[in-house]
Amino acid sequence: QLQLQESGPGLVKPSETLSLTCIVSGGSISSSTYYWAWLRQPPGKELEWVGSIYYNGNTYYNPSLKSRVTISADTSRNQFSLRLSSVPAADTAVYFCARLISGGWFFDYWGQGTLVTVSS
Amino acid sequence: DIQMTQSPSSLSASVGDRVTITCRASQSISNYLIWYQQKPGKAPKLLIYAASSLQSGVPSRFSGSGSGTDFTLTISSLQPEDFATYCCQQSYNTPYTFGQGTKLEIK
Repeated sequence: QLQLQESGPGLVKPSETLSLTCIVSGGSISSSTYYWAWLRQPPGKELEWVGSIYYNGNTYYNPSLKSRVTISADTSRNQFSLRLSSVPAADTAVYFCARLISGGWFFDYWGQGTLVTVSS
Repeated sequence: DIQMTQSPSSLSASVGDRVTITCRASQSISNYLIWYQQKPGKAPKLLIYAASSLQSGVPSRFSGSGSGTDFTLTISSLQPEDFATYCCQQSYNTPYTFGQGTKLEIK
């Protein structure tokens, strides 16, 4: 059974960099069938796709965040990471990692989510 | 970006009721429409993809229909565990975008 688990600080100061890691177990992120994604959900708001990474390292970002986002993968550790720079309070959200199905472009497995609060 | 609008925003219903939730896209998205169920403090759960394909393990009381810009999610006979928030997602192009959600509450 595939499992994803987010980890990282729950509190980040404004203007600093938010860093999260998603550890994947029960399956390989090196598979060509899937992409791996980050999404977020601010309190009381809809989900937002942040970006995705493919096994070959190709990345795809939401244009609204593109200048501040970096997604990378470590295949040796079977994990992928998110860095979001220069965060304002509006980046406060529950951040999810998920598996994205190639072709259908839907998210079939999700991590439990982790709340990141941006505050001084 | 493609805007996804759901209606209603909230809905009260009873166990055994048939309910329908609507999702409208701001432009045609063919059948690139996905439905998720989300419970408080939990990750979304995939219910339906490609507008009408039921994800493995999801009860058959859930069904989806539509194409182009208008889509519906129907629950044929509500069960206690179905009270949750439902949201749609378009996967026609990036950035993938989601509806604001429909909260299904017990009457």
